[in-house]
Amino acid sequence: DAGVTQSPTHLIKTRGQQVTLRCSPKSGHDTVSWYQQALGQGPQFIFQYYEEEERQRGNFPDRFSGHQFPNYSSELNVNALLLGDSALYLCASSSRTDSPLHFGNGTRLTVT
Amino acid sequence: AQSVTQPDIHITVSEGASLELRCNYSYGATPYLFWYVQSPGQGLQLLLKYFSGDTLVQGIKGFEAEFKRSQSSFNLRKPSVHWSDAAEYFCAVGARQTGFQKLVFGTGTRLLVSP
Repeated sequence: DAGVTQSPTHLIKTRGQQVTLRCSPKSGHDTVSWYQQALGQGPQFIFQYYEEEERQRGNFPDRFSGHQFPNYSSELNVNALLLGDSALYLCASSSRTDSPLHFGNGTRLTVT
Repeated sequence: AQSVTQPDIHITVSEGASLELRCNYSYGATPYLFWYVQSPGQGLQLLLKYFSGDTLVQGIKGFEAEFKRSQSSFNLRKPSVHWSDAAEYFCAVGARQTGFQKLVFGTGTRLLVSP
């Protein structure tokens, strides 16, 4: 039973560029949430997707956007990258019958 | 808005000794409470959760936590620590009206296990 999978595992980008991170939820899960974890900090909620719509959003600028596809997989897009966007980006999935969040191993984004 | 405080940044425990990691939360009603563990370079693994009912909850790997409403605490305990328990531990709180997808995490406690 595959858990939450994220790609790529590592990514290096330059300031001003755009990046897309991908997530496949655990089998049977239909809800995807994205979190940003800066070095030495706890994860911070970015947004949640369910039924292909953004349902909740944390305190992140519009440069952060997402998408959920009919197969429940999801993308996180970040435009106009800043040095401060360097972090571990975690995807988590859940469902009505399997309620706690299950996290992937994350994508480490470095902005230079 | 919810908040979580983990007052200990680092804790060192001898292998075989007992462990208690502290977590205090701020939330006006009964929250959802979680403890997650993160090994280096890995995502977060759920140790245990509290939604309602019995205030002492059992989790995986021999961990337990007790919800104390009067103290706004949800401390994590283990009677005997193993070297493999060395990791970063995060306490998280969720509000019932926003569900458990939107969690607020503490800054974490790094557990070091000495031989």
